[in-house]
Amino acid sequence: NAGVTQTPKFQVLKTGQSMTLQCAQDMNHEYMSWYRQDPGMGLRLIHYSVGAGITDQGEVPNGYNVSRSTTEDFPLRLLSAAPSQTSVYFCASSPPSRGAGELFFGEGSRLTVL
Amino acid sequence: KNQVEQSPQSLIILEGKNCTLQCNYTVSPFSNLRWYKQDTGRGPVSLTIMTFSENTKSNGRYTATLDADTKQSSLHITASQLSDSASYICVVSEGGRRALTFGSGTRLQVQP
Repeated sequence: NAGVTQTPKFQVLKTGQSMTLQCAQDMNHEYMSWYRQDPGMGLRLIHYSVGAGITDQGEVPNGYNVSRSTTEDFPLRLLSAAPSQTSVYFCASSPPSRGAGELFFGEGSRLTVL
Repeated sequence: KNQVEQSPQSLIILEGKNCTLQCNYTVSPFSNLRWYKQDTGRGPVSLTIMTFSENTKSNGRYTATLDADTKQSSLHITASQLSDSASYICVVSEGGRRALTFGSGTRLQVQP
């Protein structure tokens, strides 16, 4: 059972480059989300989706785009990378629940922007 | 603003010893509180969930407590093992919504 799969695991970009972090889940979860994790800080929500075709902004959405064309996939796009986007990115999905359910996280994607 | 504060930031204990991690929150209205374990280089994994009516819940050597009146939770680890070395993250859910507030975690190191 794969769960939540993120690719790539590591990436180095130059300032101004763009890239897409991929996220796929095979649990048929409607809810998917992207977080960034920085040293000394809690996980911060970037974008989330409650189902195919529906996305919304989280706490720190600037510089990132998302789309949700299928239930399984939720890619995160960095439009023009900046050093401030150096971080570890986690994709998470959650089963249907009233309120917040358990999050199932991917293994993370470590991004360095030079 | 909703906040979750965890203490200590880091902790080193010897294998076989017990330890307790603390989580204080200001999230209101409260729905539930989860403890996640995050191994180095991995994603967080849920250990336990506490709802408003629950005071104590155990998951093997992990025991979580919740005092909804004082808005405090603790995670007690009994007879620690090297594999317990990880970050432990407290996450509080706001009532009726999917909004989550994350603590910054406690990094636990268990030494032989």
